[in-house]
Amino acid sequence: AQKVTQAQTEISVVEKEDVTLDCVYETRDTTYYLFWYKQPPSGELVFLIRRNSFDEQNEISGRYSWNFQKSTSSFNFTITASQVVDSAVYFCALSEAWATNAGKSTFGDGTTLTVKP
Amino acid sequence: GAVVSQHPSRVICKSGTSVKIECRSLDFQATTMFWYRQFPKKSLMLMATSNEGSKATYEQGVEKDKFLINHASLTLSTLTVTSAHPEDSSFYICSANPLAGGYNEQFFGPGTRLTVL
Repeated sequence: AQKVTQAQTEISVVEKEDVTLDCVYETRDTTYYLFWYKQPPSGELVFLIRRNSFDEQNEISGRYSWNFQKSTSSFNFTITASQVVDSAVYFCALSEAWATNAGKSTFGDGTTLTVKP
Repeated sequence: GAVVSQHPSRVICKSGTSVKIECRSLDFQATTMFWYRQFPKKSLMLMATSNEGSKATYEQGVEKDKFLINHASLTLSTLTVTSAHPEDSSFYICSANPLAGGYNEQFFGPGTRLTVL
């Protein structure tokens, strides 16, 4: 069975601080996909990044960066110079890759990030 | 990017009534759609996998007779909550996998907030 753990339930930072959201996953599959989503108060999931299990390159997109460490089954997300608009619930998710279950995702419990001005 | 819509976005109904929620892929075809449920301040839990032209596959613990799923076309899946009760109040989110694009594509709808009085 797959499992995603986001140990940080809530994080509060002051604007311009850097913040890292942790994600640890468990799977027996050798091929899988990892995702991060942002969920603002409106409820709609906003896709942030997708990473496949064979690509351990870290990625940077503006103020966002992701560190994928297969050896520790972690896929952490860092926001640099946080802003109030970053306040939201962030979900890490793991998706099966095989055809019969493609796209079927297991979500972590989410981390509520509050950025104070 | 691909767009998935849900209708209605919000519904309030009386206990005992049935509610139908539609999930449409607007600019792509999807043989597989997924239905998730999210309680307040909780994670997304997969309810069922909707397959076009065949029966849905339900996750353990999800009542098939309570949550009826129909995937009649490559662009539409419906979730009907039958004889809804207050405990069915939740945020329901669907996602769709394009026919083309590989296993890692999953697009989420904006969600439907159901309140049962």
